[in-house]
Amino acid sequence: EPEVTQTPSHQVTQMGQEVILRCVPISNHLYFYWYRQILGQKVEFLVSFYNNEISEKSEIFDDQFSVERPDGSNFTLKIRSTKLEDSAMYFCASSAATTGYQETQYFGPGTRLLVL
Amino acid sequence: LAKTTQPISMDSYEGQEVNITCSHNNIATNDYITWYQQFPSQGPRFIIQGYKTKVTNEVASLFIPADRKSSTLSLPRVSLSDTAVYYCLVGDVGSTDKLIFGTGTRLQVFP
Repeated sequence: EPEVTQTPSHQVTQMGQEVILRCVPISNHLYFYWYRQILGQKVEFLVSFYNNEISEKSEIFDDQFSVERPDGSNFTLKIRSTKLEDSAMYFCASSAATTGYQETQYFGPGTRLLVL
Repeated sequence: LAKTTQPISMDSYEGQEVNITCSHNNIATNDYITWYQQFPSQGPRFIIQGYKTKVTNEVASLFIPADRKSSTLSLPRVSLSDTAVYYCLVGDVGSTDKLIFGTGTRLQVFP
């Protein structure tokens, strides 16, 4: 069964450093998402991406965040200058563009980011 | 998006059937009901989706009454590996919008 993959599985960084989290969505999917989950809290939406542009972003997704689909397979989330409060599990998800149902989103295993 | 309400936690024993009910009083005509499962330190995983009546797959059943203001996820004969958080989500047909997760129901299965 196809699956979403994410790298790295864990990332430790110093406050103020840039990090790039990588995702490979399912190959025939067209919609891509990033979510995050702070330890013990809810899964929160960050951004959705379609047709090489952001479809929607949340209040969390400020100027420090950016997303990119640099080639036909990767989807990245960049945090320019990390803060302590960016420490969380970051999940990538993708969905197909079929109609008729609320689209199922397939989530990756996550990247655990720890900012020191 | 319709607001959903579900129990914070439930306990069960192996081999029992578990029913988790979600209320969504403001569900719209175009809304589907979807359940996701999340194991610790993993991403949410789609379990089942339905619009009305009953849907069954290899993992679970979803019961939706005629008024659609609630739904019940049924897990037959749970095992320890079913210990997870279960989320009920409601959204538009054909929507590729963001998923809005609540706190979910934390199911603990005991031996």
